[in-house]
Amino acid sequence: QSVLTQPPSASGTPGQNITISCSGSNSNIGPNYAYWYQQLPGTAPKLLIYRNNQRPSGVPDRFSGSKSGTSASLAISGLRSEDEATYYCEAWDNSLTGVVFGGGTKLTVL
Amino acid sequence: EVQLLESGGGLVQTGGSLRLACAASGFTFNFYAMRWVRQAPGKGLEWVSSISTSGAGTHYADSVKGRFTISRDNSKNTMYLQMNSLRAEDTAVYFCARNGDLGIIEGADYWGQGTLVTVSS
Repeated sequence: QSVLTQPPSASGTPGQNITISCSGSNSNIGPNYAYWYQQLPGTAPKLLIYRNNQRPSGVPDRFSGSKSGTSASLAISGLRSEDEATYYCEAWDNSLTGVVFGGGTKLTVL
Repeated sequence: EVQLLESGGGLVQTGGSLRLACAASGFTFNFYAMRWVRQAPGKGLEWVSSISTSGAGTHYADSVKGRFTISRDNSKNTMYLQMNSLRAEDTAVYFCARNGDLGIIEGADYWGQGTLVTVSS
């Protein structure tokens, strides 16, 4: 059972827009930044969004992040086949004094 | 170019020990907090431990507290994870990663490729 809650799966067709949610609490996402990672099968995670809504250089602007209260969201616009991956959210938890992850959302591009 | 290279994984018996190393290059190692994250086969990411720039500050997941020890040698640009009293549930790919500019509470901006630890009786 992960501290941050994500839907286990999501799907869309090429060109569609989708949003992945990440629900936390007043000890993690509420007071701290949210981060998002993309993990392709058999590879290491890659930072996609940092500090709620910032994109590292090289990440397409099709990816965007937002935060409201104790929840964060990752939006992907203009879905492409190469976006098929598992997406994880993360935040620092003040009560646990550690990093917490969501369980991951496996995105399928139909 | 930032590079993180894990080593030390392998097959170990239940109750045994293993030490992982993460060799860093391409950045000023002592400027950044670091972390270990693991992923059991077919499962999600699980944070294991984080360490501050100097090594004075360390944090552990409850699942490894008292059994694992994180450390770093800034003169060698290397981070370590000493794993004792290993259990079957510790079987996973272990990733080392560099935290961003805000230190221990920041997400990880660079990741190694991981090293597999298999604990078997």
